[in-house]
Amino acid sequence: QVQLVESGGGLVKPGGSLRLSCAASGFSFSDFYLTWIRQAPGKGLEWVSEIIRSGSMKYYADSVKGRFTISTDNAKKSLYLQMNSLRADDTAVYYCARVRPWDYAMDVWGQGTTVTVSS
Amino acid sequence: EIVLTQSPGTLSLSPGERATFSCRASQTVSSSYFAWYQQKPGQAPRLLIYGASNRATGIPDRFSGSGSGSAFTLTIGTLKPEDSGLYYCQQYTSSRGEFSFGQGTKLEIK
Repeated sequence: QVQLVESGGGLVKPGGSLRLSCAASGFSFSDFYLTWIRQAPGKGLEWVSEIIRSGSMKYYADSVKGRFTISTDNAKKSLYLQMNSLRADDTAVYYCARVRPWDYAMDVWGQGTTVTVSS
Repeated sequence: EIVLTQSPGTLSLSPGERATFSCRASQTVSSSYFAWYQQKPGQAPRLLIYGASNRATGIPDRFSGSGSGSAFTLTIGTLKPEDSGLYYCQQYTSSRGEFSFGQGTKLEIK
């Protein structure tokens, strides 16, 4: 069964750090790109970061550039998002999604993990 | 950055009616990298349409997509109660490695 499962969300103070994980199963990890998408409470979808070609290229939204780092562990079939210098406006549900490299469609999504940045 | 603008903000229709969602881009985008998603409350988004006009696996044929350049449309031919939810368009800019989403259209079934 093709599946993505996120973990690592929680409550963190402004300026703090958090590391999200996304465990993949049921598909060849190296055949797809991976991305993080977030959704603030009551808001729409916002793309955060993408990693392609087994980590050779990484892209970030301007809103997180310099604060967030995307990475993968191919042996563990896991995707990560290291989030530093967190701000209140980073509060959101964070989804990982599988990206098909031939059409950049996000065809498999995790259930999401909630990050709350508050003092 | 390419901005996607969806209209209307909310659609309120009855079962059996036809729903039309619009998505306009601030500049020309690649149809090959254009998609539509459905999201229901408390759930992750689900891929509906990819490549502007291709239905994803398991998506009923009452869903269809069209468009090119900077104007795209999602149509639901005959609405069912389970079609209620939020609908998002999305595009990918390969030269910058960036995705962008529209702000979403809420579909209410009366």
